[in-house]
Amino acid sequence: QVRLVESGGGLVKPGGSLRLSCEVSGFTFSDYYMSWIRQAPGKGLEWVSYISNSRKTIYYADSVKGRFTISRDNAKTSLYLQMNSLRAEDTAVYYCARGHEGATSMDFWGQGTLVTVSS
Amino acid sequence: QSALTQPASVSGSPGQSITISCTGTSSDVGGYNYVSWYQQHPGKAPKLMIYEVSNRPSGVPDRFSGSRSGNTASLTISGLQPEDEADYYCSSYTTISILVFGGGTKLTVL
Repeated sequence: QVRLVESGGGLVKPGGSLRLSCEVSGFTFSDYYMSWIRQAPGKGLEWVSYISNSRKTIYYADSVKGRFTISRDNAKTSLYLQMNSLRAEDTAVYYCARGHEGATSMDFWGQGTLVTVSS
Repeated sequence: QSALTQPASVSGSPGQSITISCTGTSSDVGGYNYVSWYQQHPGKAPKLMIYEVSNRPSGVPDRFSGSRSGNTASLTISGLQPEDEADYYCSSYTTISILVFGGGTKLTVL
C-alpha cells in the first residue's frame, strides 16, 4: 500500500538549518508530483512547496521562498526539504504528500515530523 | 496569495446535513476546477475527501459532496455521523501555480 514516512524533524535554534526527508513506498515515485505542507501547533494547514516528477517544476510559498529548498531522488524514492535561516514561525508539523492531478491536490499524506525553532 | 475563507465552526446532529463554505477569488476558487477538501481528525494526517470541486476519491462515502458557485466552493455532508466530527480544510490551485488553503472549519456532531 502507499506509504510516506517523514523524518529529520527536531529542535533547532533560530537561524539554524534542518533537512527533512520523506521516504515513500507502494507506488511509482517517479510518476508523481510531491508536496510539503506544514501545520503550526493548533493552527491550520499551510502549503509550503511542490516539485514535479521530473524536478523541472518547483514552486514555494512566499513565506519560505529563498530559505527552503525542495528536492527529490527518484532512485531512492525520497523527497527532501532543506530548511535554512529558520525562524520561530517555522515551528510546525511538516507533512509530505503525493500529488494528485499534478500538484492540484494531495491524495496520500505521511504522518508528519515536528520541527521546533526555539532558543 | 491570501488564505481562502472558511467558517471557524459548524455543527449538526446525527442524520442531518451540513455545508461548509470556502470563499476565494477569481484567481483561485473561481478560476480553476481544482478545489479540494481535506478531513483531519485530531493528531492525524489530513485525508483527501474531494478533488476537482466535486470528485470523490475511492473509499470516500457518497455522503460527502462538493460544489462551486462563482468564487465560493462548498462541502456538503449528508446523513451526518459521529465519526464525521473533525476539522475540514479547502484548498485551491491558483493563477500563480501555487496552492492555498482555507483556515479550516471545526465540525461538531452534537
